[in-house]
Amino acid sequence: GAVVSQHPSWVICKSGTSVKIECRSLDFQATTMFWYRQFPKQSLMLMATSNEGSKATYEQGVEKDKFLINHASLTLSTLTVTSAHPEDSSFYICSAYYGQGSNQPQHFGDGTRLSIL
Amino acid sequence: EDQVTQSPEALRLQEGESSSLNCSYTVSGLRGLFWYRQDPGKGPEFLFTLYSAGEEKEKERLKATLTKKESFLHITAPKPEDSATYLCAVQASFNKFYFGSGTKLNVKP
Repeated sequence: GAVVSQHPSWVICKSGTSVKIECRSLDFQATTMFWYRQFPKQSLMLMATSNEGSKATYEQGVEKDKFLINHASLTLSTLTVTSAHPEDSSFYICSAYYGQGSNQPQHFGDGTRLSIL
Repeated sequence: EDQVTQSPEALRLQEGESSSLNCSYTVSGLRGLFWYRQDPGKGPEFLFTLYSAGEEKEKERLKATLTKKESFLHITAPKPEDSATYLCAVQASFNKFYFGSGTKLNVKP
């Protein structure tokens, strides 16, 4: 149980392109989804928290206009990297969590490797 | 300040050599402590949840324990396939999650 699917797993694109990453909870309803960025040999860096039907909450230093997050349903959240540049190249991971107020773990997708040329 | 600290940063073991990974935390209102395993190029895989001091969970060669200040992940007779980075996360008040920086485990055959 608690499967989270993330697509695509790998993206290579030219500078200036916008890239959309999808995160789906397959067998549960995710009241909250998180988006992380992970640099090589480092731990997870939280970018934003999104609750279904409301605006995402971004961490300090994360550009809202650069990283657009939409959480339109209880099973889908998307992260769009707008006008991507080489410095946006990274490993992006989503997680889903069900039950606001409950003591449940986050369940993670397998990540998206984004390479901007 | 709420924080989670994992030690050691890296650990090399021979196959069969048991050891423990540490996760110490200072958070207000602990709601749960979670252990994950992360393989290179993959997202973290959930292993255990611990809720209160004294609680223990086991899965194959792994056993997680919890006190009021720290958690241990004990690895008994590890195999090379146990090599991975192990992450600890704590859920505190207001549904805030704090992640440790991980322990990279390398088990040599």
